[in-house]
Amino acid sequence: EAGVAQSPRYKIIEKRQSVAFWCNPISGHATLYWYQQILGQGPKLLIQFQNNGVVDDSQLPKDRFSAERLKGVDSTLKIQPAKLEDSAVYLCASNRFAGGGETQYFGPGTRLLVL
Amino acid sequence: TQLLEQSPQFLSIQEGENLTVYCNSSSVFSSLQWYRQEPGEGPVLLVTVVTGGEVKKLKRLTFQFGDARKDSSLHITAAQPGDTGLYLCAGAGDSSYKLIFGSGTRLLVRP
Repeated sequence: EAGVAQSPRYKIIEKRQSVAFWCNPISGHATLYWYQQILGQGPKLLIQFQNNGVVDDSQLPKDRFSAERLKGVDSTLKIQPAKLEDSAVYLCASNRFAGGGETQYFGPGTRLLVL
Repeated sequence: TQLLEQSPQFLSIQEGENLTVYCNSSSVFSSLQWYRQEPGEGPVLLVTVVTGGEVKKLKRLTFQFGDARKDSSLHITAAQPGDTGLYLCAGAGDSSYKLIFGSGTRLLVRP
């Protein structure tokens, strides 16, 4: 079974530029998560999708971040315009459904550096 | 706001030594998970504990969930260089499966 795929693996941009990340979850997984992991910290949930609907985006900075999962499969996360403090690893995770004890499977992440 | 504090932040030990990592909160969690993350990779789930007082063993790793479901510990016996990594605890609240992650413990096991 293929794992969660993410691309690109690395991205360097200048502040005020735009960037987009892509995630393809494990086949059949209804729930998809985007996390931000700043160096030295644990992952912080940005947005959670159940199929193509948003379940939780309370910690997504909506003035600059957007995410979509149009067909309930793969997803994109966009930052426009980027700030220096957006430098982090962006992790995508998925599981079959959102429920207590359900395992989340993480992708390798996209490492973003904003100069 | 639910927060999870992990200690220590960094740990460097010699191969063969034992160690314990702690995960503490003032909030109650319905379940708590432990992950290990290696450089350039995403976190990988090690264990989930759901019952207060529960103890789970995974080879040389022993996980315990506090009686009040507010804290947890991870004990590694006879650490090996392959145990090196970032250990993260993550708690789920009662009303949702939103995971709250701790800041992690970075472990280095020297040969």
